[in-house]
Amino acid sequence: DTGVSQDPRHKITKRGQNVTFRCDPISEHNRLYWYRQTLGQGPEFLTYFQNEAQLEKSRLLSDRFSAERPKGSFSTLEIQRTEQGDSAMYLCASGRTSGSTTDTQYFGPGTRLTVL
Amino acid sequence: AQRVTQPEKLLSVFKGAPVELKCNYSYSGSPELFWYVQYSRQRLQLLLRHISRESIKGFTADLNKGETSFHLKKPFAQEEDSAMYYCALGPANAGGTSYGKLTFGQGTILTVHP
Repeated sequence: DTGVSQDPRHKITKRGQNVTFRCDPISEHNRLYWYRQTLGQGPEFLTYFQNEAQLEKSRLLSDRFSAERPKGSFSTLEIQRTEQGDSAMYLCASGRTSGSTTDTQYFGPGTRLTVL
Repeated sequence: AQRVTQPEKLLSVFKGAPVELKCNYSYSGSPELFWYVQYSRQRLQLLLRHISRESIKGFTADLNKGETSFHLKKPFAQEEDSAMYYCALGPANAGGTSYGKLTFGQGTILTVHP
């Protein structure tokens, strides 16, 4: 499968614990996006990278959230001191720029986080 | 601020009937609009984007800047069209191609009955 992959697919954790999610984009894609989706809502943008540079962060991304893409390939999203409100589906997408433009964003299957 | 509104959470039609999923947006600049679809137990995938002006699976959507709408239409719905549909907006550069984040609507669940 050459699509976007995410790991784990499901994560159950207790409030206060730290969690880390991984996203592997399509190999030739230089842009990587993180979104969060709660029940009954569309995906909400969290942050994105072009290569290893984090270019934009949403105000939704509190100080407890951090994302990295150290070598411009895979990315990790860490949530520290999880809260019940963090329970959601976390989606990763990748795309390819051409100059200043972006191609279609291809989504992964998501990681469903449940905070007890 | 950019916003996408899909006024219908649920839409039911019978097979062979026309279907229209509504999408309205607000954006101060020049937008690029997309429709994404999520079939049961599958990941979100692009259905079409306004800049390509294609018809995918019989669906079309026209960007109406005057009415700030990007409604999705299909003349004859099929049972396999049953899915969740999201309208999304991205910022466009001067050439009309998106870069950066997408803003999604809340989605419309389309059910096509036999």
